[in-house]
Amino acid sequence: DTAVSQTPKYLVTQMGNDKSIKCEQNLGHDTMYWYKQDSKKFLKIMFSYNNKELIINETVPNRFSPKSPDKAHLNLHINSLELGDSAVYFCASSQYGATSNNEQFFGPGTRLTVL
Amino acid sequence: GENVEQHPSTLSVQEGDSAVIKCTYSDSASNYFPWYKQELGKRPQLIIDIRSNVGEKKDQRIAVTLNKTAKHFSLHITETQPEDSAVYFCAASILSSASKIIFGSGTRLSIRP
Repeated sequence: DTAVSQTPKYLVTQMGNDKSIKCEQNLGHDTMYWYKQDSKKFLKIMFSYNNKELIINETVPNRFSPKSPDKAHLNLHINSLELGDSAVYFCASSQYGATSNNEQFFGPGTRLTVL
Repeated sequence: GENVEQHPSTLSVQEGDSAVIKCTYSDSASNYFPWYKQELGKRPQLIIDIRSNVGEKKDQRIAVTLNKTAKHFSLHITETQPEDSAVYFCAASILSSASKIIFGSGTRLSIRP
């Protein structure tokens, strides 16, 4: 069973379109994240939700809007896509706790290409 | 906020030799330092981590060292093998309720046969 899954795996779209990426984890974790990995492989956190509540919101254009309907799901909606949004987007989850190391379990990634 | 710098950005070693990747961090409150390995086209995965109350940790061919005073930590891979070829990321975080992991910029390690 896949622990953290994302759909779609590949997304090719035109500039100006709106698109969504979905993420689900079956690990029972409380915390979920979105990361962006650009062409230089730099991995940068965008958002984090803990029990459906937004706890980390980095400097990300407000065209990006995360939504967590429950603690097992975290979706990312992107409005008015721009060329610079092209990247691989990774969802991740972790279990924070006194005995936890907050290990990030990453999904397989969604490669977004904006034309 | 925390800033993590990682060097080198690329590293090529002969199979069987050792590889060392170094990172520095800026926030003295950081107390957890994981290392992730990302193979080509795959997701990053945790390979080893160290907490600030420990100076060194080893797991088979990989080891991490931490110098809290200098805010340095390093990954050491001995007897490198072709399957060690990947991008390696160091990271730093504070284990707290609003935990955020800051990743270094990555090191692309290539193992020459």
